Amino acid sequence: EVQLVESGGGLVKPGGSLRLSCAGSGFSFKDAYMSWVRQAPGKGLEWVGHIKSKVNGGTTDYAAPVKGRFSISRDDSLNTVILQMNSLKTEDTAVYYCTTEFYSNGYNNWGQGTLVTVSS
Amino acid sequence: DIQMTQSPSSLSASVGDRVTITCRASQSISNYLNWYQQKPGKAPRLLIYAASTLQSGVPSRFTGSGSGTEFTLTIRSLQPEDFSTYYCQQSYSTPTWTFGQGTKVDIK
Repeated sequence: EVQLVESGGGLVKPGGSLRLSCAGSGFSFKDAYMSWVRQAPGKGLEWVGHIKSKVNGGTTDYAAPVKGRFSISRDDSLNTVILQMNSLKTEDTAVYYCTTEFYSNGYNNWGQGTLVTVSS
Repeated sequence: DIQMTQSPSSLSASVGDRVTITCRASQSISNYLNWYQQKPGKAPRLLIYAASTLQSGVPSRFTGSGSGTEFTLTIRSLQPEDFSTYYCQQSYSTPTWTFGQGTKVDIK
């Protein structure tokens, strides 16, 4: 059974940093493209960024609102993907989901989500 | 970015009803269109990908159709567990896969 488990959410002040982790199991993690998707309270879904598998270059891409502030990395030896969030803004408040990309067919596996609240 | 627009934003329906949700893309996305179901407090679940292919384990009362810029999700006979919010998503413009704003289906 595929499992994605996020951790690291919490309350942080504007301008602060937070590091989210996502541990995967039940699939070939090293071959997976991993994405982060967020959902602000009462709002819709927004892609945050992704990281390709190392065999495909391990490169990252980010949504415009987070580019330059967020970074994604992976440790295939630990089956873990990390979302490092810096210079946080109140508008970054959201539940952050870790997902696997199903080729070009969307996100077929999701974690349970972790809540990030940016507030003074 | 490709904009995705769903209609309606919400609808009320009864168990057994046929429900149709429409999703329009701001440019042609071929059949790179996916549908998700999300229940309150839960992560989304992939229902349909490539416009019309049912994800494993999804009941056959869900069908998807369309190509280009206009797509539909149909629930043939609404069941109690189907009351949820549904999102479309384009996966044509990699990696920026954008979502529609969602359609909430609640009980009439």
